[in-house]
Amino acid sequence: KNEVEQSPQNLTAQEGEFITINCSYSVGISALHWLQQHPGGGIVSLFMLSSGKKKHGRLIATINIQEKHSSLHITASHPRDSAVYICAVDRHNNNDMRFGAGTRLTVKP
Amino acid sequence: DAGVTQSPTHLIKTRGQQVTLRCSPKSGHDTVSWYQQALGQGPQFIFQYYEEEERQRGNFPDRFSGHQFPNYSSELNVNALLLGDSALYLCASSSRGTQYFGPGTRLLVL
Repeated sequence: KNEVEQSPQNLTAQEGEFITINCSYSVGISALHWLQQHPGGGIVSLFMLSSGKKKHGRLIATINIQEKHSSLHITASHPRDSAVYICAVDRHNNNDMRFGAGTRLTVKP
Repeated sequence: DAGVTQSPTHLIKTRGQQVTLRCSPKSGHDTVSWYQQALGQGPQFIFQYYEEEERQRGNFPDRFSGHQFPNYSSELNVNALLLGDSALYLCASSSRGTQYFGPGTRLLVL
């Protein structure tokens, strides 16, 4: 079983819809990251969370440390949001990041 | 600030060959991590370099080796290439904080 699990694996939405991507992890962490990967491979860091909630524009990320769960929300989705969204964790006392397999989001106009 | 840069962007090799990939970290960053991302999967940690030494290593064979230079740039070397080494190789730099990823090098082994 992967240490970081994401759902759904694929997601198709209509422009304007509210989107939620979920991430569960099974290890102790010091921080959780949400990353965006566009076709071609470049990765952009969206959020780094250790507790609570962060908001940046139309993106909101939340984390529940007790439940080992995080969600990424996109409000008023747009076709340019189409990308792979990856959840990753920094493990306690460890220098490597562990990644989920990613959620492929397609937003149709 | 150029951010994290990697070279080359694409590379084609044949089985048994050796390859060297390069990474220049974001200005002010002293730590470089390398990841392998197979098609359709999340990245897998290869190793991390700090102060010119390998600080931590993931579950990759000794065919994968690296180096960090005094200017913090880094190389990833893969010997005796296998077809399964075909992947996107990502470099990320950091300095006790958020990792910033490079655009990656896409390696195809034929």
